Amino acid sequence: ETGVTQSPTHLIKTRGQQVTLRCSSQSGHNTVSWYQQALGQGPQFIFQYYREEENGRGNFPPRFSGLQFPNYSSELNVNALELDDSALYLCASSLPSPSTDTQYFGPGTRLTVL
Amino acid sequence: GESVGLHLPTLSVQEGDNSIINCAYSNSASDYFIWYKQESGKGPQFIIDIRSNMDKRQGQRVTVLLNKTVKHLSLQIAATQPGDSAVYFCAEKESNGQNFVFGPGTRLSVLP
Repeated sequence: ETGVTQSPTHLIKTRGQQVTLRCSSQSGHNTVSWYQQALGQGPQFIFQYYREEENGRGNFPPRFSGLQFPNYSSELNVNALELDDSALYLCASSLPSPSTDTQYFGPGTRLTVL
Repeated sequence: GESVGLHLPTLSVQEGDNSIINCAYSNSASDYFIWYKQESGKGPQFIIDIRSNMDKRQGQRVTVLLNKTVKHLSLQIAATQPGDSAVYFCAEKESNGQNFVFGPGTRLSVLP
């Protein structure tokens, strides 16, 4: 186990709704990255948070947003859900680059959009 | 753009045999690589990593080889066990970058 926890484990929403996913990082890790993993594919980088600010973003629209809190936990918010948002959402924690940048993943939240 | 790919989408091996999973990457600026194992319904699990100043790194039953000349990475699993059955991803990263780039994965099936 990595010590990274995510909630909820599963979630079902309908198109147009909004969703918030949560992540608690491994003890001592101040950097949190979020990835989207569609079925049968590798994870795709959404964004990273460091010191409560966005620290890099992948090719995802603005309706994907996030927060990081002083205790380093993080939220991923997705507005105006689309069917293609159905995926496993993974959170990974790490120390900041470049010294120790190994990313350790949580179990993920399975989001289904109907 | 940068990409990480795998030569074989599926690999079946007999229990006790050695497994070799291959990966090609295209970003010559990547200098840190990780192999992850993902079991059904779980998040990716760190297996082993290697930095670009090394060609080989060994762990417990696993070895990662890096060939920077041809931008190729491989994961060798010795004495493959049923518990090794999973999808394996290689992931690459630049030292000043924030994210890892993952390939599509290789499913390893261990036959009894």
